[in-house]
Amino acid sequence: DAGVIQSPRHEVTEMGQEVTLRCKPISGHDYLFWYRQTMMRGLELLIYFNNNVPIDDSGMPEDRFSAKMPNASFSTLKIQPSEPRDSAVYFCASSPQGDIPYNEQFFGPGTRLTVL
Amino acid sequence: GQQVMQIPQYQHVQEGEDFTTYCNSSTTLSNIQWYKQRPGGHPVFLIQLVKSGEVKKQKRLTFQFGEAKKNSSLHITATQTTDVGTYFCAGLADYKLSFGAGTTVTVRA
Repeated sequence: DAGVIQSPRHEVTEMGQEVTLRCKPISGHDYLFWYRQTMMRGLELLIYFNNNVPIDDSGMPEDRFSAKMPNASFSTLKIQPSEPRDSAVYFCASSPQGDIPYNEQFFGPGTRLTVL
Repeated sequence: GQQVMQIPQYQHVQEGEDFTTYCNSSTTLSNIQWYKQRPGGHPVFLIQLVKSGEVKKQKRLTFQFGEAKKNSSLHITATQTTDVGTYFCAGLADYKLSFGAGTTVTVRA
């Protein structure tokens, strides 16, 4: 199994530009999570999906952020317009179905975003 | 809202010594998970604790869940250089998962 796949691994963009981060979860996993990690705020859950449906997006910082999961094997996190304070490492994670969400999560390698 | 506090923030350990990192929640947790993140890497799942008072061991790592399910600890014995990294706890309450700030461990050879 290739694990969770994220692209791009690094992204450098200018303030005001649109940024799209991509994630392919592990096949057969029903939960998908998007996290953001910064030195100041640590690891923050942005949103998670169950069977492609967004369940909890309370962590999404503002309307500039949006996430979609059009099918079981693909998800995107979009920032439009991007701002320097969005600079962070964005992780995607997936986990198998269980009685409760947040069973063992498998994290992708992350996308390091720099907004100039 | 739920908060998970983790101490210490940094742990500098002499190789061969033991250390413990602690995780405390303001609310009762359904379960708690521990992850390890190596420098420049991504979090990797270590273990999940569900039952009150549960203790689990993985080689030199011992994980404990408090009786009140509000705290947890990770104890590492005979620290090795491979233990370097940041250890996160993540507590689940009311279907919301909160990560602690992590304990960053460095090892002196």
